[in-house]
Amino acid sequence: LAKTTQPISMDSYEGQEVNITCSHNNIATNDYITWYQQFPSQGPRFIIQGYKTKVTNEVASLFIPADRKSSTLSLPRVSLSDTAVYYCLVGDGKAAGNKLTFGGGTRVLVKP
Amino acid sequence: DTEVTQTPKHLVMGMTNKKSLKCEQHMGHRAMYWYKQKAKKPPELMFVYSYEKLSINESVPSRFSPECPNSSLLNLHLHALQPEDSALYLCASSHRQGAVNEQFFGPGTRLTVL
Repeated sequence: LAKTTQPISMDSYEGQEVNITCSHNNIATNDYITWYQQFPSQGPRFIIQGYKTKVTNEVASLFIPADRKSSTLSLPRVSLSDTAVYYCLVGDGKAAGNKLTFGGGTRVLVKP
Repeated sequence: DTEVTQTPKHLVMGMTNKKSLKCEQHMGHRAMYWYKQKAKKPPELMFVYSYEKLSINESVPSRFSPECPNSSLLNLHLHALQPEDSALYLCASSHRQGAVNEQFFGPGTRLTVL
């Protein structure tokens, strides 16, 4: 399983864009990159998933460079309610029996 | 219905007790998961069921016993737990087992072992 490395914590202010970079140097050809968000005392929630280049949905964008050894989750114009832990996960997209392993996560604090 | 429900929300038990955690989903998902999460740590996978059969056991002690009676239900039976087993227990489900399948998590059961 590819190991992921993320910053432990980040602070931001309301209305700013937050970018969290995840390093996954030994990512394999079939691996997909997935991000989850978790609020205190709740289960994680899927945010976005990608394989290469850029993926955008209604809440975030995911940028993946050509070598795929890192990825950046971008949260536009954050609000106080975006204060949470964000997890980057890498897993084999083709293996039916594959599992996801959560890394350390990045604790994002949005200040007023 | 895109919800995973877990009962109870909170559970306090002694080391000699037997209790069970319950998880339910009605999304037609055929993969279900149990995770354990300690404070300020990431969730750790415990068990995976695929089509009601145990697919992955992450070397979990036998005092934790999972059961999948049907495609909508997942139980975790607890017996002779230790205080260090106190944690948030999360259940999740996905369409199928596999890394590309979005996992839907329940709110968790906060377990305290005295």
